[in-house]
Amino acid sequence: AQTVTQSQPEMSVQEAETVTLSCTYDTSESDYYLFWYKQPPSRQMILVIRQEAYKQQNATENRFSVNFQKAAKSFSLKISDSQLGDAAMYFCAYRSAFGNSGAGSYQLTFGKGTKLSVIP
Amino acid sequence: DTEVTQTPKHLVMGMTNKKSLKCEQHMGHRAMYWYKQKAKKPPELMFVYSYEKLSINESVPSRFSPECPNSSLLNLHLHALQPEDSALYLCASSQADSGNTIYFGEGSWLTVV
Repeated sequence: AQTVTQSQPEMSVQEAETVTLSCTYDTSESDYYLFWYKQPPSRQMILVIRQEAYKQQNATENRFSVNFQKAAKSFSLKISDSQLGDAAMYFCAYRSAFGNSGAGSYQLTFGKGTKLSVIP
Repeated sequence: DTEVTQTPKHLVMGMTNKKSLKCEQHMGHRAMYWYKQKAKKPPELMFVYSYEKLSINESVPSRFSPECPNSSLLNLHLHALQPEDSALYLCASSQADSGNTIYFGEGSWLTVV
């Protein structure tokens, strides 16, 4: 079974600074997808960024980028120019490329989350 | 803006009540999911529907009964719940083929009294 570990329960960053959130995972699969989701106090899970395991290039979405190290099974999220609206719980998640049972049955495995605070 | 809509946003129910949570998406996704999230915990998968058929049931108690009337709608029927079932219930959807992201709704806060 796959596991996802986020070793930082809480982090803080000064507004406009850069912060990196860590995530490691364990899998025996070679083809999979990794995601970072953000959950603000409103509790909606918002997709931040995704990475396909077969792609060597690190994904980037505006101020958000990842450092994907497949051999090390590491998938960290870097937030540049942090803003007050970035304050949230961040979850790292793993998804197999293959369905669990039957077509279209995909399952996300989440880490325990990192609570990010942004200091004005 | 989310394209997965959940109603109601908040629900308070007694242990003898019967209620339902509803979820709708108009993205043409053929896989829909129910997750349960307790405070300060990650979401836990409950059910997955693929092409309107139940494909994953994570050993959820029978007091939770999912239903997928069509490819756009997903319901979660609730009956005889316990106070420990109080949680945020998240609906999600995705394309039912490889490589697609799972998108979440805003969730329904459930309190069982």
